Amino acid sequence: AQSVTQLDSHVSVSEGTPVLLRCNYSSSYSPSLFWYVQHPNKGLQLLLKYTSAATLVKGINGFEAEFKKSETSFHLTKPSAHMSDAAEYFCVVSVPGVSGGYQKVTFGTGTKLQVIP
Amino acid sequence: DSGVTQTPKHLITATGQRVTLRCSPRSGDLSVYWYQQSLDQGLQFLIQYYNGEERAKGNILERFSAQQFPDLHSELNLSSLELGDSALYFCASSVRTNTGELFFGEGSRLTVL
Repeated sequence: AQSVTQLDSHVSVSEGTPVLLRCNYSSSYSPSLFWYVQHPNKGLQLLLKYTSAATLVKGINGFEAEFKKSETSFHLTKPSAHMSDAAEYFCVVSVPGVSGGYQKVTFGTGTKLQVIP
Repeated sequence: DSGVTQTPKHLITATGQRVTLRCSPRSGDLSVYWYQQSLDQGLQFLIQYYNGEERAKGNILERFSAQQFPDLHSELNLSSLELGDSALYFCASSVRTNTGELFFGEGSRLTVL
């Protein structure tokens, strides 16, 4: 079984300051990990993904995340927050399904990022 | 544009009624997932289909049912609707052999009055 824990339900940063959204996971298998972003009244959009290649993953809009197996973490960072980054962010773990040919996907509970001008 | 199409985008109905939400996955995607998102419950996984077969079930009520058809589109049926069923319902799809990346539709917003 796998699980995802997003350690903060709300994060507030000032515009131009760094962003850190924390995610810890557990999985019996080597997982794939993702971050999705959801702007108000919109669908979810993929920010970045880790699929057992480089541990430091770069995504869209200047975001990146580092896979740390020893810490079972996949924290999302951005050097400088922009007003347009205000949204909800979801950390996701995915492992192969039991019967094969599909993925079992587990979402975290989300972190709402507020950016203060 | 993710390539996943959901209809209708908005739906207003009364308690006790039944509605059907439709999802067309991206071309070639065999897996379809349904999620419910509400203010108090957050994003909740409902059910997953793979090539027409149910693969995983989450917090889906007995009043709700879904299916995936041979052409791979999926429908989510919600019956005996209650006020608490008001939510945004998302469909997502993924390819067979990928690593689990999901492509989400824009959602269907259901309001039960």
